[in-house]
Parts: sequence; C-alpha cells; structure tokens
Amino acid sequence: SQKIEQNSEALNIQEGKTATLTCNYTNYSPAYLQWYRQDPGRGPVFLLLIRENEKEKRKERLKVTFDTTLKQSLFHITASQPADSATYLCALSNDYKLSFGAGTTVTVRA
Amino acid sequence: DVKVTQSSRYLVKRTGEKVFLECVQDMDHENMFWYRQDPGLGLRLIYFSYDVKMKEKGDIPEGYSVSREKKERFSLILESASTNQTSMYLCASSLEGHENTEAFFGQGTRLTVV
Repeated sequence: SQKIEQNSEALNIQEGKTATLTCNYTNYSPAYLQWYRQDPGRGPVFLLLIRENEKEKRKERLKVTFDTTLKQSLFHITASQPADSATYLCALSNDYKLSFGAGTTVTVRA
Repeated sequence: DVKVTQSSRYLVKRTGEKVFLECVQDMDHENMFWYRQDPGLGLRLIYFSYDVKMKEKGDIPEGYSVSREKKERFSLILESASTNQTSMYLCASSLEGHENTEAFFGQGTRLTVV
C-alpha cells in the first residue's frame, strides 16, 4: 500500500538554527511533491512544490530536496524564527488523489 | 483573493443524525477534496472529485458520501453520524491535471458528534 511518512517526533530548535524535516514515501512514483504549513486550528497553506527532475528548490529561507531514488524529500528551514513554529506536511499526488503525511510539528525557541 | 469556504466553523450533532458539510470555492477549480484530521493521524482523504458529478473514494470513505452538482460546491454527507466521526473536516480544491499546482484549503469544520 502507499505510504507517506514524516518525522514522527516533534522538532524543538533554537532560533537561528536550521530545522530539517524528512518525508519518505513508498509505492508512489510521484511527478512532484509538495510541502504545506499548518497552524493550529487552520487549514494547511501551500509552501513549495518540487518536481521529480528538480533536485533542489528554494524559497526565501526554505529549501526542499527531492531524491526519487531514495524516495525521500528533505525540508529545511534556515535561520529559523519563532514565527516558523507550526506543523509541516508533505503531500504526494497519485493521479487526482492528493495524500498527506501526518506532519512534523516544529517549535522554534527564542 | 482565492477562497475556499466551509459552511460552518463548529458543529455539534447527535448520534444518528444526517449531517451535511458544505464547501464552496471561487477559483473555478476542477478538483475538490474532503479530508478529516485527527491528532497523530494527520490528514486522511475521505473523497475527492475531479469534475462535476464525478467522485472517487479516498482512503477512508466508509460512513460518508459526497455530492458535486455544481463545479464550485462539494458537499460531504454523514449518513448517520457516529461519535467516531468527531473530527476536524477540511475541504480543499486545486486545478485540473497531473501537473497540479497547490491545493487551497478551507478553514475547517470542527464536528462533534454526541
């Protein structure tokens, strides 16, 4: 069966450090992978999309890598700030069906 | 500004009631989705639709049905609400095609079944 797995544990980091989140998948052959941010009590908000032929993508302080051989994506938040505290979700599409991992909660301490 | 609107933010229903959750998007998106979100389980796909009157089961369709009579509206129906359907329900929409861009989410409906 298809699975999307993210770091099961919450991540607590000091302001200014880099947070690295992992998304592993099985039984998918995705053309792209997405990352979303979710704040408590709100719907997820799209952050980045990376395609299978892109090894790395950046947006401001965010960096995403995509290794289709390892079946893994890494999501980095550099120079983290307390405002980055949230749950981060990866998502994969199989035809029209968009499925999400369980998410990793990041807390950035001032 | 793009928008996905869910009809209720909070809802309390009794066991056995038929419950309708409504979702409307104003972006002319072909794809619409219903998820439920529970602590530790993440977002689980209930149903999705890629066109008017078309629907596909997601990962956990049991106890639910959907309706899409118009492109902008996607309804989730709990035929006979049960306490294990207490959850946060999230609707989303996206553009057509395999090269989908982002999904836009509504604010969520927190449903409590008592």
